[in-house]
Amino acid sequence: QVQLQESGPGLVKPSETLSLTCTVSGVSISSYYWSWIRQPPGKGLEWIAYISYSGRTNYNPSLKSRVTISVDTSKNQFSLKLNSVTVADTAVYFCARVGTPLDFDYWGQGTLVTVSS
Amino acid sequence: SYVLTQPPSVSVAPGKTARITCGGNNIGSNDVHWYQQRPGQAPVLVIYYDSDRPSGIPERFSGSRSGNMATLTIDRVEAGDEADYYCQVWDSSSDHGAFGGGTKLTVL
Repeated sequence: QVQLQESGPGLVKPSETLSLTCTVSGVSISSYYWSWIRQPPGKGLEWIAYISYSGRTNYNPSLKSRVTISVDTSKNQFSLKLNSVTVADTAVYFCARVGTPLDFDYWGQGTLVTVSS
Repeated sequence: SYVLTQPPSVSVAPGKTARITCGGNNIGSNDVHWYQQRPGQAPVLVIYYDSDRPSGIPERFSGSRSGNMATLTIDRVEAGDEADYYCQVWDSSSDHGAFGGGTKLTVL
């Protein structure tokens, strides 16, 4: 079955770069689009970005200047980098598969990233 | 940016019907999807393409869309349905995803 697993540091200092990787199993990453979504503590979901198997990307306009999403098909992984982080970037970060209906049909369990000095 | 409006909270007694709405100016031109998120867990897709159910989702969950409003309906509500619910569209004009603010469903 399709599984996604986020990995990366749980603590990042202000002004530094947040880096996360999503490892996909059960399906080839080359067959779908993939997204990152985050959720600040006690708040709602925020879509961050998507990437296609061919490397096509798009970003949330509110984060576009600080975000990069990339894919490594050889490892069946995709990644997120968010630079110049502040405490406002503290959130649970989820990776998800974009389904044919342009929904998010499979999700990782999420990883909490705290921005603090 | 695309704005989807949901009521912050909905309360319903066990066995009754819960309806959660999702409004947006251009929602009529986009498919609406719904997610259930229990505390400490990742969201789970419960409705896609406005009204289709993924396998494993009970028939008690249904969706509809009319004009600029989509509705998630949960019949015969159970205690286990208590969760946050989010609507989502893919904004075709800007090619990005968008979520509603979420609705906390409380089972009385």
